[in-house]
Amino acid sequence: GAGVSQSPRYKVAKRGQDVALRCDPISGHVSLFWYQQALGQGPEFLTYFQNEAQLDKSGLPSDRFFAERPEGSVSTLKIQRTQQEDSAVYLCASSQSSGTQPQHFGDGTRLSIL
Amino acid sequence: QKEVEQNSGPLSVPEGAIASLNCTYSDRGSQSFFWYRQYSGKSPELIMFIYSNGDKEDGRFTAQLNKASQYVSLLIRDSQPSDSATYLCALINTGTASKLTFGTGTRLQVTL
Repeated sequence: GAGVSQSPRYKVAKRGQDVALRCDPISGHVSLFWYQQALGQGPEFLTYFQNEAQLDKSGLPSDRFFAERPEGSVSTLKIQRTQQEDSAVYLCASSQSSGTQPQHFGDGTRLSIL
Repeated sequence: QKEVEQNSGPLSVPEGAIASLNCTYSDRGSQSFFWYRQYSGKSPELIMFIYSNGDKEDGRFTAQLNKASQYVSLLIRDSQPSDSATYLCALINTGTASKLTFGTGTRLQVTL
């Protein structure tokens, strides 16, 4: 596609529920990143894939967060047993290759935990 | 000390003026620098990237990098009301597997 596509745009869940957020990167982009952005802050890194390999997951806040990219294209970020502090905008970005290539962001998923 | 420091603003400039946005960073291993523009409720949009010391110009935008001073800036010439947004400075360090580290952003207001 023309840009990074994320779905859903908005997600409301009750505390304790599991959620799944989807990212479809720009076609042909090797690298895929997930970031979390709290209100008034810059995005914070969560995890990074190069093709299907998850090369860095150092930013995932807890073991309740899990990400996958099984075929090296679409990625899913799953949050289990959601907590109120998980409320944030989750951004996906992709870049053409690894290293220092510019990253292009999707519109994000705004997650609200009640 | 935060890795990437930006003044949160708001920075207010009149229409037609030059807006100067500044960013300092702490890790000398930083090698790539990016400026993103983010409108309220929207995602970050890449404006400029710079890898080498000096200036890089693209239309009304100029990015400036000084690695010795650990300083990167963005100049916006002929500022327009549509430039009003938050500008995020971001960098990639060597050895951090390509992840972006962001500042908290500077809110720019261009007034009529």
